[in-house]
Amino acid sequence: QSALTQPASVSGSPGQSITISCTGTSSDVGGYNYVSWYQQHPDKAPKLTIYDVSNRPSGVSNRFSGSKSGNTASLTISGLQAEDEADYYCSSYTSSDTYVFGTGTRVTVL
Amino acid sequence: EVQLVQSGAEVKKPGESLKISCKGSGYSFTSYWIGWVRQRPGKGLEWMGIIYTGDSVTRYSPSLEGQVTISADKSSSTAYLQWSSLKASDSAMYYCARRGVAGTYYYYGMDVWGQGTAVTVSS
Repeated sequence: QSALTQPASVSGSPGQSITISCTGTSSDVGGYNYVSWYQQHPDKAPKLTIYDVSNRPSGVSNRFSGSKSGNTASLTISGLQAEDEADYYCSSYTSSDTYVFGTGTRVTVL
Repeated sequence: EVQLVQSGAEVKKPGESLKISCKGSGYSFTSYWIGWVRQRPGKGLEWMGIIYTGDSVTRYSPSLEGQVTISADKSSSTAYLQWSSLKASDSAMYYCARRGVAGTYYYYGMDVWGQGTAVTVSS
């Protein structure tokens, strides 16, 4: 199975909102409401930010929100802060009863 | 505290075997799925596979099936990832992670991650 497609980089100024897209197929993103998003700072383990398309785990800021339309899921970060600068990965459950990650997006806070 | 603690860094030669571990604590180990994720240097995350530690039902990424083995030992609350014959391309950071639960619902996200195990394969 191929990795989900994400933009390589997205940037924004502090306080702005940015959106990261994650495009798959009807066998993964489009077929299930099981998309999750992870934040990874350099040399750190990933951190779950969104699960099942739009749900936030406890402790995650409400500045993070998720959505999905067709074969494309999106992560929006509102009120961008310096600490949001990191790599972000989407992941989806697939029809093969396993998971696939996205290609990853580097978020830069200008 | 809920945590997954992974075994230490490894340096191996091509063709050697290896088994790395992931020990869970602070929760009921056998009630959760544990997944393994690979991250090669400077690259993205790759899904390897997942095991339900209660009965060892396992699912592998189609691209990796047959190349690694995922297992779990209930008595020691430990999951494992092993190779029978390492290649240079297996050099990477390997993470274990727990599939999350909200109440009685197992959601499709990994909520607790180990600190990672660095594997270097070089002659």
